[in-house]
Amino acid sequence: AQTVTQSQPEMSVQEAETVTLSCTYDTSENNYYLFWYKQPPSRQMILVIRQEAYKQQNATENRFSVNFQKAAKSFSLKISDSQLGDTAMYFCASLYGGATNKLIFGTGTLLAVQP
Amino acid sequence: KAGVTQTPRYLIKTRGQQVTLSCSPISGHRSVSWYQQTPGQGLQFLFEYFSETQRNKGNFPGRFSGRQFSNSRSEMNVSTLELGDSALYLCASSDRSSAGELFFGEGSRLTVL
Repeated sequence: AQTVTQSQPEMSVQEAETVTLSCTYDTSENNYYLFWYKQPPSRQMILVIRQEAYKQQNATENRFSVNFQKAAKSFSLKISDSQLGDTAMYFCASLYGGATNKLIFGTGTLLAVQP
Repeated sequence: KAGVTQTPRYLIKTRGQQVTLSCSPISGHRSVSWYQQTPGQGLQFLFEYFSETQRNKGNFPGRFSGRQFSNSRSEMNVSTLELGDSALYLCASSDRSSAGELFFGEGSRLTVL
């Protein structure tokens, strides 16, 4: 079975500091994508960052970057210069194969940014 | 551009009843997916529709069904509600046929008493 594991249920970081959220996945597929989604309190989930498995270069989006270790099946999210608005539940997710939008989500990490 | 709209936002039902949830995707998006979110099971994929065809289905009982209309709007139905069906039901749309870049609605929170 294809799985996504987030081992950190909760994390806390001070404003302006850097934090890294961990994610591991398990698959035998060659064609897949990995994602980090953010779900702020009582607001809709939004895509933070996306990584294609065939790309060796780590994806970055402004203050958000990933460390994609394909052999280790690891996909961590680094948030630099943390802001209060980054407080949210963060979900790691994977998608395998071709024409589908079926995402497999991890259990999430609740990140609290402290002032 | 309007986002994904889900209705109703909140609803309370009793065991044995049925419920229909609606989702209007972003204009131009042809793919609509549904997810169930609960504290115990997390986010689980229900089904996905693309151009009125169910493209993929999750591991849920047949009481859960859905459909998509020609304007890409989608509905999901849960019959014979059980207490365990209490959850936040999320709809997501995409303007691509694949690759997981989803735009989510705020969800419909169903409480079954």
